[in-house]
Amino acid sequence: EAQVTQNPRYLITVTGKKLTVTCSQNMNHEYMSWYRQDPGLGLRQIYYSMNVEVTDKGDVPEGYKVSRKEKRNFPLILESPSPNQTSLYFCASSTPGPPRLETQYFGPGTRLLVL
Amino acid sequence: AQSVTQLGSHVSVSEGALVLLRCNYSSSVPPYLFWYVQYPNQGLQLLLKYTSAATLVKGINGFEAEFKKSETSFHLTKPSAHMSDAAEYFCAVSHAGSGNTGKLIFGQGTTLQVKP
Repeated sequence: EAQVTQNPRYLITVTGKKLTVTCSQNMNHEYMSWYRQDPGLGLRQIYYSMNVEVTDKGDVPEGYKVSRKEKRNFPLILESPSPNQTSLYFCASSTPGPPRLETQYFGPGTRLLVL
Repeated sequence: AQSVTQLGSHVSVSEGALVLLRCNYSSSVPPYLFWYVQYPNQGLQLLLKYTSAATLVKGINGFEAEFKKSETSFHLTKPSAHMSDAAEYFCAVSHAGSGNTGKLIFGQGTTLQVKP
């Protein structure tokens, strides 16, 4: 089954404790992206990757890091989480090039609470 | 710069009634437009998309949307609401020009409530 998986689905942590949220897709997609969803703000892009070893900032990259060492994986790293990073996080993937780039497949989400 | 505005954060309809969710966009280049649905505790699922072909786009679950360039709108409709349509709906835009990074700009979301 074609899918995007994220782990963990739920996470409670404390300020300053490094954490990683994993994202993996089995569709051989080149493009992957991370979004955060906050009430009243919709989804905002954090980082994206057009291919292996190619990453770039989205609209809200502060406090986050990513890596893309393999095509299927795109982990989101919070080196020193703060309470304002409490949010619902989504990973997405697609093939590049119009129009397929626009059909992005989303993971189930990771709900993060930073105390 | 691109932006999306969804009019109404909450919409309530009776089962069997028309569903109309409003979306207006701003884009300096030809847009691609999307509607996604998010059911409780789930990820986003693509309902339909406009990518410069037919202006009336049909999607899954009986939904459709019409691209109106003159009104910069892409409203989502369904003739008859079902209880299972209760969810949060997001309108999104990206652009079709060169330098397309694939970023989707999302609206704030509209929660659809369907009353029996």
